[in-house]
Amino acid sequence: QVQLVESGGGLVKPGGSLRLSCAASGFTFSDHYMSWIRQAPGKGLEWVSYISGDGSAIYYADSVKGRFTISRDNAKNSLCLQMNSLRVEDTAVYYCARGKGQLAYDYWGQGTLVTASS
Amino acid sequence: QSVLTQPPSVSAAPGQKVTISCSGSSSNIGNNYVSWYQQLPETAPKLLIFENNKRPSGIPDRFSGSKSGTSATLGITGLQTGDEADYYCGTWDSSLSAGVFGGGTKLTVL
Repeated sequence: QVQLVESGGGLVKPGGSLRLSCAASGFTFSDHYMSWIRQAPGKGLEWVSYISGDGSAIYYADSVKGRFTISRDNAKNSLCLQMNSLRVEDTAVYYCARGKGQLAYDYWGQGTLVTASS
Repeated sequence: QSVLTQPPSVSAAPGQKVTISCSGSSSNIGNNYVSWYQQLPETAPKLLIFENNKRPSGIPDRFSGSKSGTSATLGITGLQTGDEADYYCGTWDSSLSAGVFGGGTKLTVL
């Protein structure tokens, strides 16, 4: 069955860095675009980034552009999000999600909490 | 402020029908497919509708989606207490070159 398992979240000081990973299994990873989507405590969903199945197309939300980098390793069935220059407002649960059709997400991980606080 | 506008809350009695609206613009809903998600408390979102009106396998036909112009609607019939959740619409915004979600709608089944 399809599984997405995020890791790498934690407490970091503003200005610091963190690298999130998402281990995928149960499907042909390279056949699907993937995204990171976050949810601040008590708030709604915020789309963060997209990467195509072969990694050739990448997009970011304006709020993270220039600070976050999405990548994937299809040989290892792995998705990553490198987060630099973290801000307090980046505090959220970060989900990795598998793409379906045109920008829909049919499987989500359990999420990993990132807290940027001094 | 979300790019897509949803009502903060809706409510209806068990067995009744409810609709949740999602309003956008020509750069998002008007020219792209819409998806809908259900998020139960303390869980990850679940895909209910993709490409405006398609249901993934396992989603009951009580859930339906439609789109007209720059707005989309999620319909839920035969409401159950287990449907109490937050519901989100999502799509692509061609001007932003980014995905966008609505602010979410909390459904209460009275």
